[in-house]
Amino acid sequence: SQQGEEDPQALSIQEGENATMNCSYKTSINNLQWYRQNSGRGLVHLILIRSNEREKHSGRLRVTLDTSKKSSSLLITASRAADTASYFCATDAGSGNTPLVFGKGTRLSVIA
Amino acid sequence: DAGITQSPRHKVTETGTPVTLRCHQTENHRYMYWYRQDPGHGLRLIHYSYGVKDTDKGEVSDGYSVSRSKTEDFLLTLESATSSQTSVYFCAISEGTTFGELFFGEGSRLTVL
Repeated sequence: SQQGEEDPQALSIQEGENATMNCSYKTSINNLQWYRQNSGRGLVHLILIRSNEREKHSGRLRVTLDTSKKSSSLLITASRAADTASYFCATDAGSGNTPLVFGKGTRLSVIA
Repeated sequence: DAGITQSPRHKVTETGTPVTLRCHQTENHRYMYWYRQDPGHGLRLIHYSYGVKDTDKGEVSDGYSVSRSKTEDFLLTLESATSSQTSVYFCAISEGTTFGELFFGEGSRLTVL
């Protein structure tokens, strides 16, 4: 099934550094979304980028989308210990009204 | 925070017993979803609903049934629980389309012994 795949699976950085996570998907999409999950909690929506957009910003988050390569990246600048969480990309199937499919996530650890 | 409540939050049961998980929303959103989350698999869609009494299967629907008799409630039933259904179950909602922003509940952790 259509699925985003995040890379890397795990990432450990020092506080203040930037964190970059990547997502690849297989077929055309309407949009691509990034979600965050703190340990033991539900997922929280971070940002949505439409297929006709190339870059989007929200606070310390920057998302890029390259539909020709079927890939997206999430950049978290000036990371904080509170950014420690798992991050998931989610995509749709591009046609029809189909539910989102999630990748397996990137586990980010920010060390103070 | 979106008004989504899952119950129970934790449940331990034995193989072969029926289990029902409830998702209740106060947002009047059209779409409701059940996902399961397992290590190494991420989130996988079980079933979803696009209106009262309107449901459809997801990627991993075998062994699960759902019902939606009211806009605000979406029930997930395991008719005869198996150990492979030990998981964390998340309910989510969206309005407008199935590929818009999802709002998630806090999850229900189910252990089948």
